[in-house]
Amino acid sequence: DVKVTQSSRYLVKRTGEKVFLECVQDMDHENMFWYRQDPGLGLRLIYFSYDVKMKEKGDIPEGYSVSREKKERFSLILESASTNQTSMYLCASRTNSYEQYFGPGTRLTVT
Amino acid sequence: LAKTTQPISMDSYEGQEVNITCSHNNIATNDYITWYQQFPSQGPRFIIQGYKTKVTNEVASLFIPADRKSSTLSLPRVSLSDTAVYYCLVGDLGAGSYQLTFGKGTKLSVIP
Repeated sequence: DVKVTQSSRYLVKRTGEKVFLECVQDMDHENMFWYRQDPGLGLRLIYFSYDVKMKEKGDIPEGYSVSREKKERFSLILESASTNQTSMYLCASRTNSYEQYFGPGTRLTVT
Repeated sequence: LAKTTQPISMDSYEGQEVNITCSHNNIATNDYITWYQQFPSQGPRFIIQGYKTKVTNEVASLFIPADRKSSTLSLPRVSLSDTAVYYCLVGDLGAGSYQLTFGKGTKLSVIP
């Protein structure tokens, strides 16, 4: 079974803090994704990586950066957290086929 | 990116067949159609994927007309455990492509 794990299920941070969200997959997938999910807005793609050290902006990259130093790990970074970044963050991975595998999500609250 | 439009919500009784239609008028030649299911507090889970005509697996069927401007997810004989949000995605699955856009989803409520 493919497994995608995220470092925390729940996280509370203060405005202005630097926040790291970690995602690890165990199936040697080339592609990894970071989404945020908000009520009424569905899932929106933040960043995408198709290989180590490679990244592409998604639909809403502002205020975020990413890092992919190893194939299995994809990190989302909030350089200076703001209250409007309070959300559910979902990581996913896939091979060059159709099925994305999602992690359980991290619910981030910025106060 | 092909934009998708789905109903916001649907209700169904247990045991009925449910059809959820997704509109994607500007679908491109290389785009595939994929459906995901999401339960509360979980990440989405793949259900089915197709390019044209009809695809069936153990949990659902996907109907795609010849013009591919819409698709219909069919869930046979739903149960309470099928209560979830269903997302239609349209995009290119090629190497290095991230062209998979989630819409807002359809919240299906199954009533006893």
